[in-house]
Amino acid sequence: DTGVSQDPRHKITKRGQNVTFRCDPISEHNRLYWYRQTLGQGPEFLTYFQNEAQLEKSRLLSDRFSAERPKGSFSTLEIQRTEQGDSAMYLCASSPRTSGSAGELFFGEGSRLTVL
Amino acid sequence: AQKITQTQPGMFVQEKEAVTLDCTYDTSDQSYGLFWYKQPSSGEMIFLIYQGSYDEQNATEGRYSLNFQKARKSANLVISASQLGDSAMYFCAMREVEEYGNKLVFGAGTILRVKS
Repeated sequence: DTGVSQDPRHKITKRGQNVTFRCDPISEHNRLYWYRQTLGQGPEFLTYFQNEAQLEKSRLLSDRFSAERPKGSFSTLEIQRTEQGDSAMYLCASSPRTSGSAGELFFGEGSRLTVL
Repeated sequence: AQKITQTQPGMFVQEKEAVTLDCTYDTSDQSYGLFWYKQPSSGEMIFLIYQGSYDEQNATEGRYSLNFQKARKSANLVISASQLGDSAMYFCAMREVEEYGNKLVFGAGTILRVKS
């Protein structure tokens, strides 16, 4: 499978615990994005990497959220001291630097977080 | 300000008939791109079709076509000959100035149900 993969697919945690999600983008893609999607809504942009550099962060990304992409390959999204409002689907996407006329993002299947 | 508006929370269509999903957008940029994604119950976002703001022809991809009306700022998705497998959530998205990558802004989505 050469698509975007995310792990774990599902995570249930208690409020106050830390969680970490991993994303492996398509190998030749140097751009990586994290989005959050709550039930019945469209995905909301969280952050974006070009190679290992984090170039943009949304205001949605509070101090409890941190994302990394060491060596410009896989990425992790960590949420510290989780709150019930963090319950959502966390989507990872990647794209190549030049992707022709479309520039579409290629998404993984997401990591669903439930905070009890 | 909301960038992408999808006014139809849910739509029903009879199998083999055509259906139009509405999308209006708001931008002051001259150069932008419009995308449609499909999200089945599995959660993965699947790219369907793209329209660039300077494209004179409406985009088509198989059974999908995009009815682009620039002056009205609308980018409706038309699905012809609906199939049961088309039942899913559909999102309209926009990319504005590619200052940092291909960040997309999504609408709230439309749930499509195809009836047999």
